[in-house]
Amino acid sequence: AQRVTQPEKLLSVFKGAPVELKCNYSYSGSPELFWYVQYSRQRLQLLLRHISRESIKGFTADLNKGETSFHLKKPFAQEEDSAMYYCALSGSSGGSNYKLTFGKGTLLTVNP
Amino acid sequence: NAGVMQNPRHLVRRRGQEARLRCSPMKGHSHVYWYRQLPEEGLKFMVYLQKENIIDESGMPKERFSAEFPKEGPSILRIQQVVRGDSAAYFCASSQGQGSNTGELFFGEGSRLTVL
Repeated sequence: AQRVTQPEKLLSVFKGAPVELKCNYSYSGSPELFWYVQYSRQRLQLLLRHISRESIKGFTADLNKGETSFHLKKPFAQEEDSAMYYCALSGSSGGSNYKLTFGKGTLLTVNP
Repeated sequence: NAGVMQNPRHLVRRRGQEARLRCSPMKGHSHVYWYRQLPEEGLKFMVYLQKENIIDESGMPKERFSAEFPKEGPSILRIQQVVRGDSAAYFCASSQGQGSNTGELFFGEGSRLTVL
């Protein structure tokens, strides 16, 4: 069974501080991992995916298969980063990569 | 491009009534997905449709729930004889291909169903 765990429901940091949103997963195969973000009054949108190894808005995430983690990091948080962040997983086999399993989300607040 | 459009944004129903939620995919997208988010939970996959076809409904409850994506018009998620446990946010997403290998789905703003 696929499972995504985001242990922190709420995370609050000050502007300029480093931020790490944790995500652990459980999957028997080779997963694809994603971070989605939902800003206030906006729709859920893809932030980044592990296979592209890119940095978006200063955020990076590394897939650690040994620890089954995909933590989202940013060295210097900005107020506009305040949002709800969801970690998601899809199975990469059998063509069912539309079937995303989401974590419960972490609400990040960046204080001035 | 207006993105994925869902309506209504909010719907209130009494127990036993029917709820119909609509979703128009992004222009050029022919694949539609419905997800449900119960309170305090993550989004959960319900069903995947292409025009006039249900491709995967493995996440749909066996009773009272149905979905369609007709040749013309929006996709519709229908819940018959609603119960309080159906209260949730229902999200629609669309993609150009089958979820693509990048898994990028474009989501709507969701429809929030409240059952009294």
